[in-house]
Amino acid sequence: NAGVMQNPRHLVRRRGQEARLRCSPMKGHSHVYWYRQLPEEGLKFMVYLQKENIIDESGMPKERFSAEFPKEGPSILRIQQVVRGDSAAYFCASSLSGTDQPQHFGDGTRLSIL
Amino acid sequence: GENVEQHPSTLSVQEGDSAVIKCTYSDSASNYFPWYKQELGKGPQLIIDIRSNVGEKKDQRIAVTLNKTAKHFSLHITETQPEDSAVYFCAASTGGGFKTIFGAGTRLFVKA
Repeated sequence: NAGVMQNPRHLVRRRGQEARLRCSPMKGHSHVYWYRQLPEEGLKFMVYLQKENIIDESGMPKERFSAEFPKEGPSILRIQQVVRGDSAAYFCASSLSGTDQPQHFGDGTRLSIL
Repeated sequence: GENVEQHPSTLSVQEGDSAVIKCTYSDSASNYFPWYKQELGKGPQLIIDIRSNVGEKKDQRIAVTLNKTAKHFSLHITETQPEDSAVYFCAASTGGGFKTIFGAGTRLFVKA
């Protein structure tokens, strides 16, 4: 049973470009979470989605950032007009049901902004 | 708001010794407490979890204890090995539509 798959593993963008990060949850999982991690720091919650619905986006900046988890296909975290401060590792996790269930993480996308 | 504090931030032990990492949480409605291990360049991996109706859980060299009254929980690793070296995160969740709150992490070094 494949784990959570994130791609790309590394993404380089120039300031002002768009970054699109993909996450395929574990088979059967309908809950997806996105986290951001800076070097030597912890996991900062961004957004929690359940198929086609955003449950909690309190950790995601209201401008430039958006997330979706369509009925078919992977979850997408989109960052528009990237800035240097967006450089970080972005992790996706999935769970079978809600947040009181184990979350399984992917190996992240490392975003670098030139 | 909800908060999870984790101590220490760094822990260095000799191989074979025990390691203890402690976390406190603020939301008394929290009912699920997972622990994750993150190795360099990888995503966090669940190593053990405990629910609020249980006081202690053990899995080989790893154990977790929970004190609901004091709102703190701890990870215990016995007979540490160099491969235990990693960053460990605690977390607390209330379930439902509420997000999971993570501690800031503990970097564990096990010296051979």
